[in-house]
Amino acid sequence: KNQVEQSPQSLIILEGKNCTLQCNYTVSPFSNLRWYKQDTGRGPVSLTIMTFSENTKSNGRYTATLDADTKQSSLHITASQLSDSASYICVVSAGAGGGNKLTFGTGTQLKVEL
Amino acid sequence: GAVVSQHPSRVICKSGTSVKIECRSLDFQATTMFWYRQFPKKSLMLMATSNEGSKATYEQGVEKDKFLINHASLTLSTLTVTSAHPEDSSFYICSASSYKWETQYFGPGTRLLVL
Repeated sequence: KNQVEQSPQSLIILEGKNCTLQCNYTVSPFSNLRWYKQDTGRGPVSLTIMTFSENTKSNGRYTATLDADTKQSSLHITASQLSDSASYICVVSAGAGGGNKLTFGTGTQLKVEL
Repeated sequence: GAVVSQHPSRVICKSGTSVKIECRSLDFQATTMFWYRQFPKKSLMLMATSNEGSKATYEQGVEKDKFLINHASLTLSTLTVTSAHPEDSSFYICSASSYKWETQYFGPGTRLLVL
């Protein structure tokens, strides 16, 4: 069964600090991995997408890494801001053989405080 | 680009009534649209996949007669929750892709509360 696990479940950090969120997956076949940011009561917004051959992808203060061998990904947020408070969801897409279905993690709830 | 809208953003209805939620792709033609349901602090759960002009494919456990999906055009899909009950209260999110195996772009979601 395809699964995506994220840790920690929740995290509180002070504004300006960095943090790293983790994602472990068992999805086969693998097509790509995305990190989404979901504000409360809103739909997910894509931050990064990585395919099998990509190790790192940056989008402003967000940097995602992917280790396809260990099936792990991380999302690093630099110099956090209050507006970074949201749920961060790791989503893995199966390849054509898997119908390109998405498997969602349960998310990491990040709260940035003053 | 790739903007998806939903309407309404939130709706409150009485038990037994039907509610229609619209999902629109504003700047691209969506050959495939997806409907998800999300409970508080839970991940998105796919309910159904709809291709323009054909019947939707429902995930296991999702009642097709209760959750009616119509994808009549390349920019609009609707989800109708029929005879709604309090347990149908949830956050419904749609997504759209430009062709079946392309990136999914998510709408802002619709909060449904059934009293």
